[in-house]
Amino acid sequence: DAMVIQNPRYQVTQFGKPVTLSCSQTLNHNVMYWYQQKSSQAPKLLFHYYDKDFNNEADTPDNFQSRRPNTSFCFLDIRSPGLGDAAMYLCATSRQGEDEQFFGPGTRLTVL
Amino acid sequence: AQSVSQHNHHVILSEAASLELGCNYSYGGTVNLFWYVQYPGQHLQLLLKYFSGDPLVKGIKGFEAEFIKSKFSFNLRKPSVQWSDTAEYFCAVNRNSGYSTLTFGKGTMLLVSP
Repeated sequence: DAMVIQNPRYQVTQFGKPVTLSCSQTLNHNVMYWYQQKSSQAPKLLFHYYDKDFNNEADTPDNFQSRRPNTSFCFLDIRSPGLGDAAMYLCATSRQGEDEQFFGPGTRLTVL
Repeated sequence: AQSVSQHNHHVILSEAASLELGCNYSYGGTVNLFWYVQYPGQHLQLLLKYFSGDPLVKGIKGFEAEFIKSKFSFNLRKPSVQWSDTAEYFCAVNRNSGYSTLTFGKGTMLLVSP
């Protein structure tokens, strides 16, 4: 089945230790998104790629970076995780010209 | 900037009860409206969506939602809930432009007791 895959599902890191979360898709969608979802809060868009064009939300901290080496893969890099970065990170995709987004299962990040 | 407000953070119902979850958005232009559902341990998935046309839209698993433009609302309804409807429900909106980013509400956790 075509899908959005996130690895790992659970990630534990130490305060200040860089971490990378991974997302891959078999849908061949050209738009990919990264959301942060904290407990009892709405998913918050961090950034998205429209093909290779990177679009950062104005309030996304510099600590968060992203890479998209090809259509299928997108990475979220947190350079120096703080305790406040503990959250569920959701990857989603959509097709150009369509509004429906397809979500992965998320990666739950714990910062010790 | 657009925003989405979901009125209830937690809802507890017995099986066979009727459900209505409120959603209001703030944006003056033409919008697309969505309800997503997240079952325990699973990913967000689309329940239903409104782009244009009939303001009453039907989704999967017996859910429906009504877009009332004058009230900026898109409430989710189901006549008779089941235990398997226990999940978190998110309302979301984006601009009707073919491609734009979603703004989500905070979600409503629905617990259905058998």
